[in-house]
Amino acid sequence: GIQVEQSPPDLILQEGANSTLRCNFSDSVNNLQWFHQNPWGQLINLFYIPSGTKQNGRLSATTVATERYSLLYISSSQTTDSGVYFCAGLYNFNKFYFGSGTKLNVKP
Amino acid sequence: GAGVSQTPSNKVTEKGKYVELRCDPISGHTALYWYRQSLGQGPEFLIYFQGTGAADDSGLPNDRFFAVRPEGSVSTLKIQRTERGDSAVYLCASSSLAGNEQFFGPGTRLTVL
Repeated sequence: GIQVEQSPPDLILQEGANSTLRCNFSDSVNNLQWFHQNPWGQLINLFYIPSGTKQNGRLSATTVATERYSLLYISSSQTTDSGVYFCAGLYNFNKFYFGSGTKLNVKP
Repeated sequence: GAGVSQTPSNKVTEKGKYVELRCDPISGHTALYWYRQSLGQGPEFLIYFQGTGAADDSGLPNDRFFAVRPEGSVSTLKIQRTERGDSAVYLCASSSLAGNEQFFGPGTRLTVL
C-alpha cells in the first residue's frame, strides 16, 4: 500500500481568508480525489484530478503526479467551508488510500 | 437511483451478534467499494467489487467480515460475532468503472455494545 500525508491536520481561519491544504503520497498514484466531509459525515466530491489544475468557484486543486503531491486552494473562505477535507490516491488501479484529513474551522 | 444509498443509517447491536449492512450503488456503476471510518481518521479500504466478483478483499480485517454482490448491483457487508472494536461508520462508494471517480453514500454508523 501507500502512505498518504495531509497537512496541516488542523486549520482555523477567519472568514474571507485564503488557505492551502497539501497531500503527499509515498508512491505514485494513478488517480486522486479531494473530498469535503460535512458535519453529518457525508463525503462530498470536490475534485477528481490525476494531474494538472482544476478550478470550481472558490476552490481549485493542483496535482503534480511526478512529485507525488496535490494541493487544494480555498479562497475567500466561508463558514460553510468548515469540516474535514480528505485526499485519496488510487494505487495499482485498484483501491483508494485516504489521508487522515485536514480539519478546517472557519470563524465568522 | 440518483446517488449511493446505504441502510440502515444507524445500527446498534450487542457483542457477539450478526449484522448486515446494505449498499445501493448508482445505477449502472460496475465498481463498488466498502470502507470503514473510525473517529478522527480517514476512510480505510475494506473490499472492492468489479461486477459480481470481489476483485480485492485485502482490507477485510478478519474472517468475521464478508461481503457479497450477487447480481452486480446491491451489495451487503456481513459481520459475524461482532466485537466492540467493530464500532465505526461503514461507507460504501461506487464508480462507473474501477479507478474512476468514486461517489460515496451517507454511511451506516455501527455501534457494538
